[in-house]
Amino acid sequence: DQQVKQNSPSLSVQEGRISILNCDYTNSMFDYFLWYKKYPAEGPTFLISISSIKDKNEDGRFTVFLNKSAKHLSLHIVPSQPGDSAVYFCAASGLGTGNQFYFGTGTSLTVIP
Amino acid sequence: DGGITQSPKYLFRKEGQNVTLSCEQNLNHDAMYWYRQDPGQGLRLIYYSQIVNDFQKGDIAEGYSVSREKKESFPLTVTSAQKNPTAFYLCASKAQGAGGNTIYFGEGSWLTVV
Repeated sequence: DQQVKQNSPSLSVQEGRISILNCDYTNSMFDYFLWYKKYPAEGPTFLISISSIKDKNEDGRFTVFLNKSAKHLSLHIVPSQPGDSAVYFCAASGLGTGNQFYFGTGTSLTVIP
Repeated sequence: DGGITQSPKYLFRKEGQNVTLSCEQNLNHDAMYWYRQDPGQGLRLIYYSQIVNDFQKGDIAEGYSVSREKKESFPLTVTSAQKNPTAFYLCASKAQGAGGNTIYFGEGSWLTVV
């Protein structure tokens, strides 16, 4: 059973516009959420994270929003750049998950110049 | 440079053979993980280890084995019992305790069964 879901396999955005990537989760025990960026044939690189005690975390062009009641998080990239084109994974962990991290299936973002 | 090193990057295996993927980290992390990625799918956990000489099965452990004899090393053996071993394999690690909420990945290893 997929505990972390990314329902959009792909997203295309014009350069300079906002990219919004979405992620839903089902396990209410999750209390820490992360976003990773991945290029083909490379390992994922950590982008940004958020604890469940917050509803927003910013790092430069990247902002993650958490809506605990809806069990939903999103990653906003503003402005989007061609170099942002990659697959983005969201992940979740928490007390009771035994140090495990659960990943979504990824969203492939294409930023069109 | 601190990081996670996976080797080899590309590996070809004949059916019926075991193969071992290496993962070494110099981050002094206690926890280490092996994930598998298939095209169009997310990352699925094979095995993880929270401490030396201890490891637990993940969601897809069948046909795989691991060992954790040293803190910095967590090799994965893909056995002949794994029915569909062709995939991209990712090793990761994480610090324990305060500040240890983020998992970091190696560059990955491609395994192809021929």
